[in-house]
Amino acid sequence: SQKIEQNSEALNIQEGKTATLTCNYTNYSPAYLQWYRQDPGRGPVFLLLIRENEKEKRKERLKVTFDTTLKQSLFHITASQPADSATYLCALEWIVDTGRRALTFGSGTRLQVQP
Amino acid sequence: GAVVSQHPSRVICKSGTSVKIECRSLDFQATTMFWYRQFPKQSLMLMATSNEGSKATYEQGVEKDKFLINHASLTLSTLTVTSAHPEDSSFYICSAPRDLGYQETQYFGPGTRLLVL
Repeated sequence: SQKIEQNSEALNIQEGKTATLTCNYTNYSPAYLQWYRQDPGRGPVFLLLIRENEKEKRKERLKVTFDTTLKQSLFHITASQPADSATYLCALEWIVDTGRRALTFGSGTRLQVQP
Repeated sequence: GAVVSQHPSRVICKSGTSVKIECRSLDFQATTMFWYRQFPKQSLMLMATSNEGSKATYEQGVEKDKFLINHASLTLSTLTVTSAHPEDSSFYICSAPRDLGYQETQYFGPGTRLLVL
């Protein structure tokens, strides 16, 4: 069966360090992989999208890598700040059938940046 | 600013009543919207795809007669939880895809917290 795995344990790091979150998947052939931020009681907010033929994508302090051989994506936040504390979700967008795509989410990893 | 809104943000109802949740895309049209449910500390689970002008597509295990979806216009989809029970208590979130030209991005609403007593 298809599965997306994110580390369910919270990640605690010091301010200024680089946070690295992992997303592993099985039995998917994703078209895109996306990362979202979710704060408590809020809907997810889109951060980055990376296509299957891209290895790396950057946006300001964020970097995403996508290894379709390992079936893994890494999400990095450099120079982390307490305001980066949130739950980060990875999501795979994949083709269900002609003209229809589905977005499946991992359970998310909570990041806590200590001042 | 928000590009997808939901109303209400929070609702408490008695068991057996029906609850309607609205999802609106602001400043763009969405022929498709998605409805998700999220239980505490769990992933977002896709419930159904709302299609403007046609019937919604439900995911396996989601009862279409219990979760009624109406895509009334290109900017509005509604989810009605009929005869709600305590186990329906959850966080309901909608999303709408928006084509930005270089990529299609999903915009999520702020969510609706439903508590059924």
